[in-house]
Amino acid sequence: GAVVSQHPSRVICKSGTSVKIECRSLDFQATTMFWYRQFPKQSLMLMATSNEGSKATYEQGVEKDKFLINHASLTLSTLTVTSAHPEDSSFYICSASRRDEQYFGPGTRLTVT
Amino acid sequence: AQTVTQSQPEMSVQEAETVTLSCTYDTSENNYYLFWYKQPPSRQMILVIRQEAYKQQNATENRFSVNFQKAAKSFSLKISDSQLGDTAMYFCAFMKYNQGGKLIFGQGTELSVKP
Repeated sequence: GAVVSQHPSRVICKSGTSVKIECRSLDFQATTMFWYRQFPKQSLMLMATSNEGSKATYEQGVEKDKFLINHASLTLSTLTVTSAHPEDSSFYICSASRRDEQYFGPGTRLTVT
Repeated sequence: AQTVTQSQPEMSVQEAETVTLSCTYDTSENNYYLFWYKQPPSRQMILVIRQEAYKQQNATENRFSVNFQKAAKSFSLKISDSQLGDTAMYFCAFMKYNQGGKLIFGQGTELSVKP
């Protein structure tokens, strides 16, 4: 149990376009989900905390208008990278919380050309 | 604010031998959790071991065990009988008790197991 999926696993988009990444908890309900960004050989950087039915809480330095987060249901959170630029290219990981433990999705590799 | 520090960016170990990865943290909280996560080349985060701060007994999971020193704020991971499949990035992480799962990660240690 406690499986989290992410879609897509890889996406390439052109500079200036928007891209949406979905995070789903497949076999449990998650009132809280988290979005991370990870550069090669570096740690996970928390971008925002996503709470079902309310606005996301963004970490300091993360642009709210660029990284739109919607937690529409207890099993789905989405991250939309708006007006993407090459510097947004990265590996994005979501996780879902259940009873003080986090379960991670497999990640999405975003490449902006 | 809580911080987690892993001072070993890279380590290597021979297959079948034992290796210890270091982690220190800073917090004023009394109740919290500590975790070690493994991230293999697939980049899927995998929970290796979890420790509740109120438990004095060190957590163990098969070949993985921790040395939890609460007063020293130290949480090291020992991997016994290292296997090639243990090659991965290892992250130490801290979570406040009852905070809905927000994790604070260390910088990571890249472990290579050599045949």
